[in-house]
Amino acid sequence: AQSVTQPDIHITVSEGASLELRCNYSYGATPYLFWYVQSPGQGLQLLLKYFSGDTLVQGIKGFEAEFKRSQSSFNLRKPSVHWSDAAEYFCAVVTLGGKLIFGQGTELSVKP
Amino acid sequence: EPEVTQTPSHQVTQMGQEVILRCVPISNHLYFYWYRQILGQKVEFLVSFYNNEISEKSEIFDDQFSVERPDGSNFTLKIRSTKLEDSAMYFCASSIQPGPQAGNTEAFFGQGTRLTVV
Repeated sequence: AQSVTQPDIHITVSEGASLELRCNYSYGATPYLFWYVQSPGQGLQLLLKYFSGDTLVQGIKGFEAEFKRSQSSFNLRKPSVHWSDAAEYFCAVVTLGGKLIFGQGTELSVKP
Repeated sequence: EPEVTQTPSHQVTQMGQEVILRCVPISNHLYFYWYRQILGQKVEFLVSFYNNEISEKSEIFDDQFSVERPDGSNFTLKIRSTKLEDSAMYFCASSIQPGPQAGNTEAFFGQGTRLTVV
């Protein structure tokens, strides 16, 4: 079955510290993967996507993610977190028909 | 920058009432979607729509739900007789192509409509 798992429901990091949010997927074909961010009361904004090619993809706001087929993972990273990064982060895989399958989300809190 | 717009941002309705959630997708997009997010839960797919018909729907999208594109610009989600469990944030999204096989594309989301059924 197609699914996305984000093992961490809530993560707290200090401002300036590095961040890694985990995402694992289960998909029968080549996965096409996304990370979205949702600030409180806001919609979903695309951070980055992986379709093919280089397995390390760069996104907006200084985020990057690495696709690892052997581990079925697509973890999101940022070298230095800013207070404005506090939000909920969703990993998703898209099906051939365009349907997005989301993970449970990881809520990020940033300590001053 | 083009964006998907949804109205209203928040709607409160009594159980059993009909509600219509409205979306204006990005103008050159052809594929339209509704998702919902119950508070504290994941974002779930409801339905996709292309060429004036439903392409795919989830098991959530039962007979109480319907979608239409009445005038070539708006894309609406109707819930005929709301239940308490329909309370959620509803997101509209649109894309140029349906999925990756058609090229490098993605879905753009609106800000959402928070539906509260009382």
